Amino acid sequence: GAGVSQTPSNKVTEKGKYVELRCDPISGHTALYWYRQSLGQGPEFLIYFQGTGAADDSGLPNDRFFAVRPEGSVSTLKIQRTERGDSAVYLCASSLTVGNEQFFGPGTRLTVL
Amino acid sequence: AQSVTQPDIHITVSEGASLELRCNYSYGATPYLFWYVQSPGQGLQLLLKYFSGDTLVQGIKGFEAEFKRSQSSFNLRKPSVHWSDAAEYFCAVEGDGNNRKLIWGLGTSLAVNP
Repeated sequence: GAGVSQTPSNKVTEKGKYVELRCDPISGHTALYWYRQSLGQGPEFLIYFQGTGAADDSGLPNDRFFAVRPEGSVSTLKIQRTERGDSAVYLCASSLTVGNEQFFGPGTRLTVL
Repeated sequence: AQSVTQPDIHITVSEGASLELRCNYSYGATPYLFWYVQSPGQGLQLLLKYFSGDTLVQGIKGFEAEFKRSQSSFNLRKPSVHWSDAAEYFCAVEGDGNNRKLIWGLGTSLAVNP
């Protein structure tokens, strides 16, 4: 079966623009996580979904960041008014349910010019 | 608050040599601990995990790790490194609360000399 997929693999945008990053989890996985990995750092938790609801969004850095998972499968991370500091690799992971092994996608590399 | 420290930013070993990557954690209760590997252009792959029981954990690709509560450590080892092991290695601890988010170290970059 397919693993976690993320699109696009690379995204270059200009400061102030809006971007959407997509995550397709493994089929049947109810838990979905977004992490952000800056250069030379470990991943940093952003938000967690259990089903359709955002169970914990405490890692979102500010209100420019928002994520949805309307049907409990695909998730979209949305960033408004992008800033250069948002440049990072955005990682998505899914697990069968909370507490099970998290499987990671290849990430989306976001570059804000 | 939970935290993970990987003291070594970069390590270089010769192919065939043994390897040990260090990881120290801060956690109040019994931690769930993980080692992941990240190769260029690849997603994070789980090498092994510790939940409970035997403190010596076997993983994929010939890796093992030992949980030592007295030292708050979970060091990763491999007896003989292969060139294909060159990658970034991350130690992580599962956080408190219902979301089971992973809290990560900064990673150790491994280079392998032929």
